[in-house]
Amino acid sequence: EIVLTQSPGTLSLSPGERATLSCRASQSVSTYLAWYQQSPGQAPRLFIYGASTRATGIPDRFSGSGSGTDFTLTISRLEPEDFAVYFCLQYGSSPMYTFGQGTNLEMK
Amino acid sequence: EVQLVESGGGLVKPGGSLTLSCVGSGFIFSNAWVSWVRQAPGKGLEWVGRIKSKPSGGTTDYAAPVKGRFTVSRDDSKNTAFLQMNSLKTEDTALYYCVIGWYFDHWGRGALVTVSS
Repeated sequence: EIVLTQSPGTLSLSPGERATLSCRASQSVSTYLAWYQQSPGQAPRLFIYGASTRATGIPDRFSGSGSGTDFTLTISRLEPEDFAVYFCLQYGSSPMYTFGQGTNLEMK
Repeated sequence: EVQLVESGGGLVKPGGSLTLSCVGSGFIFSNAWVSWVRQAPGKGLEWVGRIKSKPSGGTTDYAAPVKGRFTVSRDDSKNTAFLQMNSLKTEDTALYYCVIGWYFDHWGRGALVTVSS
């Protein structure tokens, strides 16, 4: 089973700052990596797939990068609505999907 | 607009059974691969199982913790997928989401399952 490790567990930043979230896979998943945002009381929402492609309606301040085992989600300038939990998902070893444990992006 | 609506959640005793339903609209349900993902209270996300579309073979796959106890099925005539859960354990307590797409494009709002005596 592929294990995804996200870091940091919690990231405290202020609006306007840049956020960098990491997701590391225990073995290569090529670019079969997606990112989701989950706000309190809400279902997760797809933000990035294919490691770097923004889903429909996602602002361009969000960008994804990486391949193989190391991936990054970058938010260039944080808006108040960006503070949430972010999960990564690998779908390269489908059907055995695995999620990272999440990064809590909180407002400082 | 794509919509997924889960139902059937509730309180069940350990060892009991429950079946969740997921009705989809706003897309061609018969072409969709449908997965179930769960989230225990205050925890992360865990993939539970998936059923492919019939054109793709209609086969099912399951995560190790639920294999042999949970069954995913579908009725395309009713745009509905099901998650039948047997031999439930306290650790199965979670919010169960119905999700479509290879990389989980769209999610329902979830159905809460509580396993407790």
